[in-house]
Amino acid sequence: DAGITQSPRHKVTETGTPVTLRCHQTENHRYMYWYRQDPGHGLRLIHYSYGVKDTDKGEVSDGYSVSRSKTEDFLLTLESATSSQTSVYFCAIKDRNRTYEQYFGPGTRLTVT
Amino acid sequence: KQEVTQIPAALSVPEGENLVLNCSFTDSAIYNLQWFRQDPGKGLTSLLLIQSSQREQTSGRLNASLDKSSGRSTLYIAASQPGDSATYLCAVTHNQAGTALIFGKGTTLSVSS
Repeated sequence: DAGITQSPRHKVTETGTPVTLRCHQTENHRYMYWYRQDPGHGLRLIHYSYGVKDTDKGEVSDGYSVSRSKTEDFLLTLESATSSQTSVYFCAIKDRNRTYEQYFGPGTRLTVT
Repeated sequence: KQEVTQIPAALSVPEGENLVLNCSFTDSAIYNLQWFRQDPGKGLTSLLLIQSSQREQTSGRLNASLDKSSGRSTLYIAASQPGDSATYLCAVTHNQAGTALIFGKGTTLSVSS
């Protein structure tokens, strides 16, 4: 357990509404990641952060934005949710004290109707 | 572009059998390789991490090997148990410590008693 929590754990929202998912870590890790997991596609990187206010895009970043104003929190925002963003979202950290092993949060199941 | 493939996609074995899960990747310039376990509806649990300079890692009944030059890794599970039933995911990071994981689509293992 790398001290990663995600909130909310489940959310149902309507198309066109904004949604923010939160990832919180308690161990001061520099690197944080957002992935989405979909049947047939596996896990794919959305955005990642390498420090406070330092973020970069991943493979499937369109329609998503992120922010990291504190080391412990990494926020993922869907500005205007679409049905194609129905997915399970996982946050992860990279532990440089353990040879950069990645640990994952419990996930958020998002349904966009 | 790095691609990670896991074969087979699904595997069913009787309890007590030793088994091997396969993972291949197209670009040998990896930093490390990580094996995960995912139970249905749950998050990812890290099982083993192999650095690019290593050949294998062991944890209990699990042994993971890495042949970087041929782009292959195997996860060996000894004396399988029904509790080993889950999806096993292989993922690699590229040749910089901060980069994200690139995942295979997983092998779903079912161990019958």
